[in-house]
Order: sequence, then structure tokens, then C-alpha cells
Amino acid sequence: ETGVTQTPRHLVMGMTNKKSLKCEQHLGHNAMYWYKQSAKKPLELMFVYSLEERVENNSVPSRFSPECPNSSHLFLHLHTLQPEDSALYLCASSQGLQRGHTGELFFGEGSRLTVL
Amino acid sequence: SQQGEEDPQALSIQEGENATMNCSYKTSINNLQWYRQNSGRGLVHLILIRSNEREKHSGRLRVTLDTSKKSSSLLITASRAADTASYFCATAAKAAGNKLTFGGGTRVLVKP
Repeated sequence: ETGVTQTPRHLVMGMTNKKSLKCEQHLGHNAMYWYKQSAKKPLELMFVYSLEERVENNSVPSRFSPECPNSSHLFLHLHTLQPEDSALYLCASSQGLQRGHTGELFFGEGSRLTVL
Repeated sequence: SQQGEEDPQALSIQEGENATMNCSYKTSINNLQWYRQNSGRGLVHLILIRSNEREKHSGRLRVTLDTSKKSSSLLITASRAADTASYFCATAAKAAGNKLTFGGGTRVLVKP
């Protein structure tokens, strides 16, 4: 138990569906992250939220829409995805991005997404 | 190109042997971290070494950092079958505001 919970753990969706991934952290952290992990590729940072404000958007297609309503919750809304978007989506949290923080990440177990 | 690159990409050893994997990076860092991932699961933080440190130990893990060569190594001593996993290095670069950039990982198989 890392203190970061992701739901659902597995999701299968069609290309025209709309679904959402949810992440919740119980660690009192103020930064949250979405990473994408595809086969044979390094982890790709998608979005970063610090103090509920988006501070990073790594050229992610608009069919992925993040939402951070408070410092404990992070969502990834999915709309009209492509089969190549099939991957393991990992949420993480950290104490913060301010100077002096270590940047150590605490990960959830991931949401395995399959787009048909 | 990615900031951290692990070598080798895959490693197979017998239980009880040591496993060594290396990580090279390109830009100045604040710290370097190693993570472990069991198949299909999330990553778990193992150890962090700061740019002004040269070596760190945690249980059976030993990490070294050579900032002049921009490289780090992770040594797992007396390996166990339960050590079978993928191991990733991640760098917190000064220019990136401490956000972590991950390498492609080393897949380690420890045979009983």
C-alpha cells in the first residue's frame, strides 16, 4: 500500500467512448502526476499538478483531459481514444516541486487501458 | 533523447549472485533515484542519491554516483527470486525543476 489509489485497475473502451481514470492520494502531498507507460518505451510524463494548478503538459493530445479538483484527487478524462493509446497509466504524488524537495514519487498501481 | 538510459536492458542471474545495472544521463542533476516495478504494477521508490553524494546503501542495495561521468550504478547483493522485476533510474534535473525523467529500465530475472 503506497498511499496512492488508482481506479479502475483495468479498463477496456471503444474509440468512441468517454471514460475517466481516478487517482487519490492519502499522503498529504501537494503535487500529482500522470505518467503513461507503453511497452518497450520509457515512462512518459503527461501532466503535473502542483497545488492544484497544472504546471506541465507534455504535448499530450487533447483527447486526454486532466482534472485536479483538490490536492488529494486527480482525474484523467478520456475521449475518442486511439488503439495506440492502450497503455498502463500511472498516477504519482510527491511532496512538491519547490526547490529543496527531493522529488521522490509515490506511485499507484496503475490503470491498464485497452482501446479497441 | 531520454535523460536516463539503463544498461543492460535485461539481466538474468542465479539466486545468490549479485546484479549490477548502470544508468547514464546527460544534464546536471539535483538527485538520481532508482525505482523497482513488478510486472504490471506501479513503481516503488528504492533509493535516492544526491548530486553531492558518491555512494549510498539500503539493505542489500548499493548505489553509486559519478557526476563527472554522469553515471550511476545499482548493485543488488545476494539476489533472491523475489528481486525479479524491472529497475528504473530517474533523474531530477536542475533545468527541469526537479521533475523526474525516467530511463527505459533494466529487466532483471533471478532464477531460483
